[in-house]
Amino acid sequence: GQNIDQPTEMTATEGAIVQINCTYQTSGFNGLFWYQQHAGEAPTFLSYNVLDGLEEKGRFSSFLSRSKGYSYLLLKELQMKDSASYLCAVRDSNYQLIWGAGTKLIIKP
Amino acid sequence: GAVVSQHPSWVICKSGTSVKIECRSLDFQATTMFWYRQFPKQSLMLMATSNEGSKATYEQGVEKDKFLINHASLTLSTLTVTSAHPEDSSFYICSARDPGRDSTEAFFGQGTRLTVV
Repeated sequence: GQNIDQPTEMTATEGAIVQINCTYQTSGFNGLFWYQQHAGEAPTFLSYNVLDGLEEKGRFSSFLSRSKGYSYLLLKELQMKDSASYLCAVRDSNYQLIWGAGTKLIIKP
Repeated sequence: GAVVSQHPSWVICKSGTSVKIECRSLDFQATTMFWYRQFPKQSLMLMATSNEGSKATYEQGVEKDKFLINHASLTLSTLTVTSAHPEDSSFYICSARDPGRDSTEAFFGQGTRLTVV
């Protein structure tokens, strides 16, 4: 079956760095996405990786290792507004998005 | 950027009634739209893929007759929850891809919180 695992919840301090991991087992691979979702709102796009390596976009970076079925989202200089759920999603061989359950990130002052 | 508008943002309805949710792509034509359902603290679950001018493709376990999807134009898809029951209460989200963009990003509507009482 298809499976995406990410931690349920993480806590970090304002101004610090946090890494949210995602491991996946899917039928084929056509890219991995990270989305941010605030409570009661729709997800918003953060990053897309299809090749191995690190993609940096401002305070956020995303890494992919296809051989390990592994990705992480790195958030630097954390701000209170970064408190949200972070969803990892993989596009499989049928171009369907398979979603992880999301990681709730709590930022403390 | 590409904008997807979903309406209404929230709706409360009585058990047994039907509710229609609209999903519009405002600045691009979406031949394919996706409908998701999300329970509290859970991931998005794909319900169906809506194709313009043809029948929607439903995921296993999703009742076609209960969740009616119509994609009559390149900018509008609708989801109708028929004979709603309290267990249908959920957060429904649509998304669409802009075929005119290089990005493979999916753009999401704002979501609709449905409460059936």
